[in-house]
Amino acid sequence: DAGVIQSPRHEVTEMGQEVTLRCKPISGHNSLFWYRQTMMRGLELLIYFNNNVPIDDSGMPEDRFSAKMPNASFSTLKIQPSEPRDSAVYFCASSPTGGQRGYTFGSGTRLTVV
Amino acid sequence: GESVGLHLPTLSVQEGDNSIINCAYSNSASDYFIWYKQESGKGPQFIIDIRSNMDKRQGQRVTVLLNKTVKHLSLQIAATQPGDSAVYFCADETDSWGKLQFGAGTQVVVTP
Repeated sequence: DAGVIQSPRHEVTEMGQEVTLRCKPISGHNSLFWYRQTMMRGLELLIYFNNNVPIDDSGMPEDRFSAKMPNASFSTLKIQPSEPRDSAVYFCASSPTGGQRGYTFGSGTRLTVV
Repeated sequence: GESVGLHLPTLSVQEGDNSIINCAYSNSASDYFIWYKQESGKGPQFIIDIRSNMDKRQGQRVTVLLNKTVKHLSLQIAATQPGDSAVYFCADETDSWGKLQFGAGTQVVVTP
């Protein structure tokens, strides 16, 4: 099992550009979570899906953020337009429904918006 | 102006000593708790979990204790090693979909 796979590992972009982060959950895991980690706020839950359906997006900071899960093996988090305050590490995690063993996190995408 | 970040509690431990990391949770309805370890530049990694019908669970060199009366969770690491240096997070499951609420974290620094 390759674990949760995120891409890219690092992204540097200019303010105003669109950024797309990608995640492949562990096969068979029904829940997928997007987190953002910063020194200011720690780990923040942005949105999560169950069986590809968004369950709770109340953590998405603004309309500039959107997330999709078109199928069980792929999810994207998009920021358009990006701003310097979006700079953070973005983690994707997946789990069996009910969090029987908690999450498995990906290695994260370090986003820098200049 | 100067930015202010989270001030993580730091636990300095001498190599070979035991470590105890504490965590308080707020939701008395939570019935599943997890400890994660995050090393620099990596995602959080599962260490050990415990359900609310237990008050103690042991793993390899780690023990989690749960006190539901005071809503307190602790992680004990035996014979702490340099590789244990990391930030440790507690988390509790807050809904049936597996949503986890994470604590702020504790930085563990192992000194030789």
